[in-house]
Amino acid sequence: ETGVTQSPTHLIKTRGQQVTLRCSSQSGHNTVSWYQQALGQGPQFIFQYYREEENGRGNFPPRFSGLQFPNYSSELNVNALELDDSALYLCASSPRGTSQETQYFGPGTRLLVL
Amino acid sequence: DQQVKQNSPSLSVQEGRISILNCDYTNSMFDYFLWYKKYPAEGPTFLISISSIKDKNEDGRFTVFLNKSAKHLSLHIVPSQPGDSAVYFCAASRVRNAGNMLTFGGGTRLMVKP
Repeated sequence: ETGVTQSPTHLIKTRGQQVTLRCSSQSGHNTVSWYQQALGQGPQFIFQYYREEENGRGNFPPRFSGLQFPNYSSELNVNALELDDSALYLCASSPRGTSQETQYFGPGTRLLVL
Repeated sequence: DQQVKQNSPSLSVQEGRISILNCDYTNSMFDYFLWYKKYPAEGPTFLISISSIKDKNEDGRFTVFLNKSAKHLSLHIVPSQPGDSAVYFCAASRVRNAGNMLTFGGGTRLMVKP
């Protein structure tokens, strides 16, 4: 059974650019969530996808968008990057997206915006 | 409004002794609580969870206690080992119309001294 994987591991972008981060869910999981972790803080929920549909969204602007594919892999897209978008982006998967369910995290993508 | 708080940013414990990490929450709708451990340059690793209908859950050296009336949970690690040195996050999820977003605390850095 493979765990959650993310790519790339590190990324450097400049302000105003666009970025796409990728995630492969744990085998058998059809729900994927994205979180942003700023330095010294806990992860903050961005959004969740269940069977290719957005299934909940946190307090992030529309320039943060996502996709989930039929194989349950996922992308996080961020447009018009700002300096404050510099953070660790974490992807997590869970079997069905119900409340009493554990989410399993990938290693993260560290994004630096200059 | 921080709904999940870990008031101790760091904790230092001698090897073999008990480590107690604390977490407070404000939202009474949370029905599932989790603890994650995070090493540098890795994603959070799931440790243990507890449903709101229970007050204790034990897994090996790790025990989580939930006090619903006080809106407080704690993680006990006995005995503590140097390999337990990491940042520990508590997280909570609640019944929603859709999805199971996790709300995280800010983390507590545990240092176990040999």
